[in-house]
Amino acid sequence: DGGITQSPKYLFRKEGQNVTLSCEQNLNHDAMYWYRQDPGQGLRLIYYSQIVNDFQKGDIAEGYSVSREKKESFPLTVTSAQKNPTAFYLCASSISTSGSGHTDTQYFGPGTRLTVL
Amino acid sequence: SQQGEEDPQALSIQEGENATMNCSYKTSINNLQWYRQNSGRGLVHLILIRSNEREKHSGRLRVTLDTSKKSSSLLITASRAADTASYFCATYDTGTASKLTFGTGTRLQVTL
Repeated sequence: DGGITQSPKYLFRKEGQNVTLSCEQNLNHDAMYWYRQDPGQGLRLIYYSQIVNDFQKGDIAEGYSVSREKKESFPLTVTSAQKNPTAFYLCASSISTSGSGHTDTQYFGPGTRLTVL
Repeated sequence: SQQGEEDPQALSIQEGENATMNCSYKTSINNLQWYRQNSGRGLVHLILIRSNEREKHSGRLRVTLDTSKKSSSLLITASRAADTASYFCATYDTGTASKLTFGTGTRLQVTL
């Protein structure tokens, strides 16, 4: 059963703590992405990775960090430097990032809702 | 930054009616995609239209693209209660490689 999974579904964090959100895909996709969604808003790109061992900052990377040591995994760490981390976090993957069309269609995980207490 | 702006922000229709939502964007694009999001869930890809295409169909979905006006529309015909969701357009820009830029979304409510 191919797909993209995120865990946990709900996460609670105390102020000052770092937390790591998991994202795994078995679609053999090269590219992976992390987005943040606030209530009633669209998606904002945090980080993306086109290939293993490489990643780039998105539009709102401050206070976040990522790694891409394996093709199937792209964990996101929300650090204590992120001042307003309460949000819905979505991970996605695509075959590649060529811009040719079908290869950059993105497949999304179910999301992790992070709440800072 | 948000590239696309959807219009309207919210739309309420009755089952069986057609729903039309619009997306405007600012830069040159390779393709434009529409996604659907049920409440509290991830997004699901609906349809992709390339910059050299003007119209595309998929089941009850019809997408148009006008690159001269930098706009796209999504038409859902004969809507069903199960179509209730938020709909987002996303552009793959020629200038900013490797990523999609999502709009702010249209919330569609289909009532019985």
